[in-house]
Amino acid sequence: EIVLAQSPGTLSLSPGERATLSCRASQSVRNNYLAWYQQKPGQAPRLLIYGASSRATGIPDRFSGSGSGADFTLAISRLEPEDFAVYYCQQYATSPTFGPGTKVEIK
Amino acid sequence: QVQLVQSGAEVKKPGASVKVSCKTSGYTFIDYNIHWMRQAPGQGLEWMGRINPSNGDTRYAENFQGRVTMTRDTSISTAFMEVSGLRSADTAVYYCARDLRRWLQYVFDYWGQGTLVTVSS
Repeated sequence: EIVLAQSPGTLSLSPGERATLSCRASQSVRNNYLAWYQQKPGQAPRLLIYGASSRATGIPDRFSGSGSGADFTLAISRLEPEDFAVYYCQQYATSPTFGPGTKVEIK
Repeated sequence: QVQLVQSGAEVKKPGASVKVSCKTSGYTFIDYNIHWMRQAPGQGLEWMGRINPSNGDTRYAENFQGRVTMTRDTSISTAFMEVSGLRSADTAVYYCARDLRRWLQYVFDYWGQGTLVTVSS
């Protein structure tokens, strides 16, 4: 099983700032099969990024994904009020697993 | 538009079973795998398994082998997930989600609203 670790656990930022979220896998993720999801309280997750860097349909270009091997990053260039949420990474190179999440909160 | 609508909240006693439905619309049901995940209160997401609606083929996560059954009814474009032998640790919100691609990719682009299953004596 590929175990994913996300850091930081909580990120306190102000609207307009840049957010950088990290996801580290316990082993190399084949073909960069890594996705990112956003989840707000009481809602289902929303797909943001797949294949490490491809934006899903309808996702604003302020969201970008990068990385390869075992280290991946989700960046939000300028935080909008609606971006404050929990973000999960997920690998699908093997049986799918999710990271524990990073909460992006308003400072 | 693509929609996945799940059945309502359930309260079950330990040892009982629960069956959650996921009614789909807005696309051809048999063209995309349906996956099931769960999220315990305040916790992260856990993939439980998937079903291919075109032929009923299933694959379950190791943690759920023998306790989860996924089925589908193509006549009503609906997938089902049943968990047996419920225990308090199964208290969670259960989600169905559609695979991103017609070929199995294990990326989840459309999600149901979630079904809260509470296991309590």
